[in-house]
Amino acid sequence: KAGVTQTPRYLIKTRGQQVTLSCSPISGHRSVSWYQQTPGQGLQFLFEYFSETQRNKGNFPGRFSGRQFSNSRSEMNVSTLELGDSALYLCASSPGTRTGELFFGEGSRLTVL
Amino acid sequence: QKEVEQNSGPLSVPEGAIASLNCTYSDRVSQSFFWYRQYSGKSPELIMSIYSNGDKEDGRFTAQLNKASQYVSLLIRDSQPSDSATYLCAVPPSGGSYIPTFGRGTSLIVHP
Repeated sequence: KAGVTQTPRYLIKTRGQQVTLSCSPISGHRSVSWYQQTPGQGLQFLFEYFSETQRNKGNFPGRFSGRQFSNSRSEMNVSTLELGDSALYLCASSPGTRTGELFFGEGSRLTVL
Repeated sequence: QKEVEQNSGPLSVPEGAIASLNCTYSDRVSQSFFWYRQYSGKSPELIMSIYSNGDKEDGRFTAQLNKASQYVSLLIRDSQPSDSATYLCAVPPSGGSYIPTFGRGTSLIVHP
């Protein structure tokens, strides 16, 4: 059974640019959530999608957005990049029930110069 | 709002010793708990789930849950250098949320 796939794995952008990250969940999983992780910080929740609907949203500015497609694949976008957006962005997949069991992708490491 | 507290560490133990990682939580209704392991530069991986009071053993790992004290721990017996990682505790979502609440994690270093 294939795991969670995130692309791209690494990317470098400059301030002011925008970036789109992609996540393909485990087959059959309908929930995709996104997290930001910076050195020394815990997992910061961005948002969660289930069946193309955003069910939960974290405390991030509107520059951070996401969407989910009918095949459960999800994308997140960050516009007007800032230096502080440099982080590991993690996607997690789950069946969508109220469980603490998440399956993470390998992450997309974003560097903003 | 639920809170999950963990000592950030690092917790340093010699190879072969027992490593004890602790987590406290504020939500009295939490019925299950999860431990994730995250190696440096990698993503978190679920390693243990515990759903009832008492102990749950899986190989060298034992999760202990005490609901009355709102305390959950992870014991790693015969610690190996390969166990060096950050361990995250998580409680399942409740109320209107579908997202588990994670602690900030405890860094474990097992030295030869």
